[in-house]
Amino acid sequence: SAVISQKPSRDICQRGTSLTIQCQVDSQVTMMFWYRQQPGQSLTLIATANQGSEATYESGFVIDKFPISRPNLTFSTLTVSNMSPEDSSIYLCSVKILPHEQFFGPGTRLTVL
Amino acid sequence: GQNIDQPTEMTATEGAIVQINCTYQTSGFNGLFWYQQHAGEAPTFLSYNVLDGLEEKGRFSSFLSRSKGYSYLLLKELQMKDSASYLCASFEAGNTPLVFGKGTRLSVIA
Repeated sequence: SAVISQKPSRDICQRGTSLTIQCQVDSQVTMMFWYRQQPGQSLTLIATANQGSEATYESGFVIDKFPISRPNLTFSTLTVSNMSPEDSSIYLCSVKILPHEQFFGPGTRLTVL
Repeated sequence: GQNIDQPTEMTATEGAIVQINCTYQTSGFNGLFWYQQHAGEAPTFLSYNVLDGLEEKGRFSSFLSRSKGYSYLLLKELQMKDSASYLCASFEAGNTPLVFGKGTRLSVIA
């Protein structure tokens, strides 16, 4: 398994500002992903964080809005840029250890006023 | 692409058995996952099926039929603490992330 921590655990932000969320894993993992979970909804994949290259974004998500860094195999950041109330969500970091093992961090609960 | 469908809400009585269904349509298929998510918490892994049949793990069992694109999660001897969302998820290849259904919110009542 993998132990995943995220910082911050929650934040309240003003419209138009940006927030960077950090994800730290206790072991080296090749595959790391970022998901969003809007209130009352299921998880939606934002992007795959690739080490040493640009992230791979899913349809509806763009790098300018959600820039991602992956400097090494244990760490990644997701920035939510120019925030609006519609960005209020839980943002979850996730890692895949084996094809049948995918784990989630505790999530970052973001509220945009 | 992938399309995963499951009921939005279910209610069941403490001590009873409940079956949560999931149907999927995927361009590639490498396995079907079930996760449990309590309100305000991250999803936790429950089960994984890649071959047809039933996988049993204590009070929880999961079934898969690849030919029918169908899975279910069976919860026996329901407890109040089983009230949670149950998420069905699949992935297309070994190095691709899970894609989730919308989740089934289960309420266990006395």
